[in-house]
Amino acid sequence: ETGVTQTPRHLVMGMTNKKSLKCEQHLGHNAMYWYKQSAKKPLELMFVYNFKEQTENNSVPSRFSPECPNSSHLFLHLHTLQPEDSALYLCASSQGVSIQSVTDTQYFGPGTRLTVL
Amino acid sequence: LAKTTQPISMDSYEGQEVNITCSHNNIATNDYITWYQQFPSQGPRFIIQGYKTKVTNEVASLFIPADRKSSTLSLPRVSLSDTAVYYCLGRRTDKLIFGTGTRLQVFP
Repeated sequence: ETGVTQTPRHLVMGMTNKKSLKCEQHLGHNAMYWYKQSAKKPLELMFVYNFKEQTENNSVPSRFSPECPNSSHLFLHLHTLQPEDSALYLCASSQGVSIQSVTDTQYFGPGTRLTVL
Repeated sequence: LAKTTQPISMDSYEGQEVNITCSHNNIATNDYITWYQQFPSQGPRFIIQGYKTKVTNEVASLFIPADRKSSTLSLPRVSLSDTAVYYCLGRRTDKLIFGTGTRLQVFP
């Protein structure tokens, strides 16, 4: 248990559906991250939020829309996804005191396994 | 950020010491070496981080020679529960750039 929870753990959706992934951290952190892990590919950073402000968008398609209403919650809104978007979506958080801090350890949640039909 | 190269897979037996070496020939002065562990269907977990020489914690040791072009993660007396993928990352900022990792399989 890392202090970062994600819901749902599994999600199956059609290409025309709209769904949202939720992440919550109980660590008092200020930075939150979304990563994507596809089969046989390295983890890819998608978005970074620091103190509720988006500081990184790693050229992610607009069908993925993040939302960070406060430092403890992070959402990833999904719409009109493609089958190739099927992957494990991981949320992480870190202290975020300094955006560029190399000592800022990231704590990951268990992920949401997304299947797009 | 430093590009890292590590073996795709390794096998070991319970009770043995496992050493996973990572190459990072183009490591920059400001880069740290960070290792994460990932079990199936779980998020990665931070193991250890270092800049040079040796770092040890309750889980592992990290050896980084003076030229910093490689590093070795040492897991003492592995158990079946250490079966996982281990990632070596060159890290300069808060951004983590994962590679394909080393899949460690521990046998009884």
